[in-house]
Amino acid sequence: QKEVEQNSGPLSVPEGAIASLNCTYSDRGSQSFFWYRQYSGKSPELIMFIYSNGDKEDGRFTAQLNKASQYVSLLIRDSQPSDSATYLCAVASSGGSYIPTFGRGTSLIVHP
Amino acid sequence: NAGVTQTPKFQVLKTGQSMTLQCAQDMNHNSMYWYRQDPGMGLRLIYYSASEGTTDKGEVPNGYNVSRLNKREFSLRLESAAPSQTSVYFCASSERGTGGAETQYFGPGTRLLVL
Repeated sequence: QKEVEQNSGPLSVPEGAIASLNCTYSDRGSQSFFWYRQYSGKSPELIMFIYSNGDKEDGRFTAQLNKASQYVSLLIRDSQPSDSATYLCAVASSGGSYIPTFGRGTSLIVHP
Repeated sequence: NAGVTQTPKFQVLKTGQSMTLQCAQDMNHNSMYWYRQDPGMGLRLIYYSASEGTTDKGEVPNGYNVSRLNKREFSLRLESAAPSQTSVYFCASSERGTGGAETQYFGPGTRLLVL
């Protein structure tokens, strides 16, 4: 069974700091990796995806992928209170079941 | 584009009642999904449809049925609601992206309370 593990948190960081969110996965055949942000009472919103080893940057967000160690992380630079949300990691294989498996999410709190 | 829309937003049912949750997307996506989200459990896949005319079970299909009415619409039916089906239900649609996996986009959700 494919598993995606995230620390449930909450992860508390001060405004302006770097928030680091981590995700590990069990399926070595995983090819695509997604980060979703979910505000309380709202639906998940895609913020990043990555499929190659290394870093991918988009504004204040950086996704880091290490397939050998089977982890993917999300860094949020210059964290703002508006970044306070639950961050879901999702992992998918390109072959067979292409449907992403979701982790349970990490709650992030950015305090002023 | 409205993206993915769901109706109703909120529903209260009594045990044993039936209801249908509606979902529609205007992004011309082939694949559509129904998830439920419970506290501490993350998103769990109920059913999915890879294309019009096909449906498949996900992780937690018991107690549910689905219909892919056309490319745009995918409905979820509870024939006899149970308190264990109290949850938030999300519909999603997806497109095949770089790397081969499906990039999913979610609707706003339906909050269901079964008494």
